[in-house]
Amino acid sequence: KQEVTQIPAALSVPEGENLVLNCSFTDSAIYNLQWFRQDPGKGLTSLLLIQSSQREQTSGRLNASLDKSSGRSTLYIAASQPGDSATYLCAVRLGGRISNTGKLIFGQGTTLQVKP
Amino acid sequence: GAGVSQSPSNKVTEKGKDVELRCDPISGHTALYWYRQSLGQGLEFLIYFQGNSAPDKSGLPSDRFSAERTGGSVSTLTIQRTQQEDSAVYLCASSLAIRGWGNGYTFGSGTRLTVV
Repeated sequence: KQEVTQIPAALSVPEGENLVLNCSFTDSAIYNLQWFRQDPGKGLTSLLLIQSSQREQTSGRLNASLDKSSGRSTLYIAASQPGDSATYLCAVRLGGRISNTGKLIFGQGTTLQVKP
Repeated sequence: GAGVSQSPSNKVTEKGKDVELRCDPISGHTALYWYRQSLGQGLEFLIYFQGNSAPDKSGLPSDRFSAERTGGSVSTLTIQRTQQEDSAVYLCASSLAIRGWGNGYTFGSGTRLTVV
């Protein structure tokens, strides 16, 4: 059974710091991994999507890496800003023949606070 | 439409009443998913649609929950005889499902259901 774990559960940093959020998954048979952002009381906004054949994706100040063999992904946020404060969720899309509904398995999220 | 639209955005209902939640996916997205996010919990998969059929209903918590999709587009999640533990944010997502599961998800803003 695929399990996704995110560490840390919460993080507070001063503005301007670079930071790394971690995601690990137990089964490497995935199609892709997606990072989302969720603001309080809101839905999910997709940040980055990494296919299983890729090693990283970048968008602005965000960089996500994927090491499928070790079951790990990191989300790197450069020069953090107060507006980055939110919960960040990592999710893997199941692959393989048995569970091919394409559903996502989510981690519990990391709640980030960036202090001005 | 440009995004996934969910309605209502908020719903307060009395225990024992039935509720219907609506999801309008991105045009052309054949895959549609319902997830539930309870307070302090991660996202829980409920049901997956491919077109109008639901090959995976494994996440529906009880027979009080049902969902349908018509015309390969709009989906309705129905909860009968609501209970307080049904209070949660119900999120809908859609995805292209062409030649595998390499495409990302797009989520709606969710319906916040409160059962009093």
